[in-house]
Amino acid sequence: ELKVEQNPLFLSMQEGKNYTIYCNYSTTSDRLYWYRQDPGKSLESLFVLLSNGAVKQEGRLMASLDTKARLSTLHITAAVHDLSATYFCAVDGNAGGTSYGKLTFGQGTILTVHP
Amino acid sequence: NAGVTQTPKFQVLKTGQSMTLQCAQDMNHEYMSWYRQDPGMGLRLIHYSVGAGITDQGEVPNGYNVSRSTTEDFPLRLLSAAPSQTSVYFCASKDLGLDHTQYFGPGTRLTVL
Repeated sequence: ELKVEQNPLFLSMQEGKNYTIYCNYSTTSDRLYWYRQDPGKSLESLFVLLSNGAVKQEGRLMASLDTKARLSTLHITAAVHDLSATYFCAVDGNAGGTSYGKLTFGQGTILTVHP
Repeated sequence: NAGVTQTPKFQVLKTGQSMTLQCAQDMNHEYMSWYRQDPGMGLRLIHYSVGAGITDQGEVPNGYNVSRSTTEDFPLRLLSAAPSQTSVYFCASKDLGLDHTQYFGPGTRLTVL
């Protein structure tokens, strides 16, 4: 059974600081997703990582994937208040085959950025 | 494109009642799925479909039925609602091709009393 674990689950940051959210998963997969969710809203896709060593960046967020270590990271650079949200990683358990969109999610990391 | 739409946005049911949560997408996506979100647990897959007429169970299927008669629609039926089904329900869809992004609907907040 695929398990996905994020840490930390709660992250309180000061504006301008850097930090990393970690996503570990238990079985082989080469497809990993990061989502953002604002309170009471739906999930917004941030990154889709499709191979070992994949790195993607958008603004102050950068995501990477190490399939051998079964680890993805979401790095936040010079945090700003607008980044406050819950961040989820999700793994497609159908490794190497057709992606049916069967995602297993981590518990989510609640990020709060303080002035 | 409206993307993925869900109705209703909010619903309150009494234990034992049945209802259908509606989901539609206008992106011609083959794959559609239903997730529930409970506090502190992330999202969990209920059922999914890889095309019209084809459905399968996810991680937490008990108490829910689905069918897929068209590419656009993927309703989720609660047969006899229980308080344990109080949750936020999200429908999602995904293309077969190069775009691996899964698009989520706005969600339905369901309370079962």
